[in-house]
Amino acid sequence: ETGVTQTPRHLVMGMTNKKSLKCEQHLGHNAMYWYKQSAKKPLELMFVYNFKEQTENNSVPSRFSPECPNSSHLFLHLHTLQPEDSALYLCASSPDPYQETQYFGPGTRLLVL
Amino acid sequence: AQKITQTQPGMFVQEKEAVTLDCTYDTSDQSYGLFWYKQPSSGEMIFLIYQGSYDEQNATEGRYSLNFQKARKSANLVISASQLGDSAMYFCAMRRGYQKVTFGIGTKLQVIP
Repeated sequence: ETGVTQTPRHLVMGMTNKKSLKCEQHLGHNAMYWYKQSAKKPLELMFVYNFKEQTENNSVPSRFSPECPNSSHLFLHLHTLQPEDSALYLCASSPDPYQETQYFGPGTRLLVL
Repeated sequence: AQKITQTQPGMFVQEKEAVTLDCTYDTSDQSYGLFWYKQPSSGEMIFLIYQGSYDEQNATEGRYSLNFQKARKSANLVISASQLGDSAMYFCAMRRGYQKVTFGIGTKLQVIP
């Protein structure tokens, strides 16, 4: 099993839908992250979790709701999204928060119609 | 605020040639870390190389080397003997102390056969 996996890889949803993104890491790391990558913009950190506890919320709108049931799994629950939320959502993990080497998953490419 | 600048939106290189991808950074801190990620079209961010601000030697990892010039605040990535599989987006990033990681907007590298 590869280090960090994400499902689904592609997602199309309407603005009234509710969906969830899933991330799983098999590296034994304690910290997990959600990033948003939009075209022609730097990667934006959304949330940081350390030992299942959220340590950072980077002013993310409440229509994005993270959940970390354990150190290996991270979810991003989506509801009433806007078209500008269309982006690549990347999950990452590291041994501890802000340790220099973060390992990324392949991302979920989200399109909001 | 920490900032990463990548001024080359796109680069071309002939197969088997070397290429340098530019990165400059802005920080007043003495302790920080710089690293490079590769993102193929599949979306996954792949860690390539790391340089600590106190490291006296330039970091090297196989065909990748980081040309670290502290006084100029630059951390250029050098890829030697380019291969077709090197075609991807390349992101420079910086971590300052235990602050979150900041990414540049990336450089798209295309290797020509």
